[in-house]
Amino acid sequence: QSALTQPASVSGSPGQSITISCTGTSSDVGSYNLVSWYQQHPGKAPKLMIYEVSKRPSGVSNRFSGSKSGNTASLTISGLQAEDEADYYCCSYAGSSTLYVFGTGTKVTVL
Amino acid sequence: EVQLVQSGAEVKKPGESLRISCKGSGYSFTSYWISWVRQMPGKGLEWMGRIDPSDSYTNYSPSFQGHVTISADKSISTAYLQWSSLKASDTAMYYCARHGERVAGLRNAFDIWGQGTMVTVSS
Repeated sequence: QSALTQPASVSGSPGQSITISCTGTSSDVGSYNLVSWYQQHPGKAPKLMIYEVSKRPSGVSNRFSGSKSGNTASLTISGLQAEDEADYYCCSYAGSSTLYVFGTGTKVTVL
Repeated sequence: EVQLVQSGAEVKKPGESLRISCKGSGYSFTSYWISWVRQMPGKGLEWMGRIDPSDSYTNYSPSFQGHVTISADKSISTAYLQWSSLKASDTAMYYCARHGERVAGLRNAFDIWGQGTMVTVSS
């Protein structure tokens, strides 16, 4: 099972919106609405930002939103802030033999 | 406070065995699955496997099956990740992560993470 494909880096200016893509296959992202997104600051543990493609856990800013089309999921950060600078990973359920697969990760830089 | 607290950093030699731990508190430990996630230096996250602490049923990623063992002791609310013979390529940060509540639709997401355990394998 290969990792889901994410762009290595995405950047934007404060206040702008950016979108991170997460491309999988018909065996994972395309088959299940079970994509989640994690934010990881340097030296810290990941933090859940989105689950089931587009749902936000309690306490996560509504500037973060998720969507999916076919085999590609996306995370959009609107009103970009300096504190959003971090690595972001998608993760998808991939069926009963593999269970879960993470994306390759995207470094978000706030210019 | 709901939290997962992992054991401290380890430095081992190739061929040695190791078990690291992840203790849950502030919630019913047997009601939530626990997964282990590897992060090699400067690299991304990799899902290794998960355990249901209520019955110790496990699933492994094909990439890690046979290389590690995941277990749990529900009497002390602790999950474990162990190696019987470490390799230099096992050098990484290892995180335990709780799967969220099934009723809330969070079963297939990791809502609580441990602080990580750094394992260094070097001769």
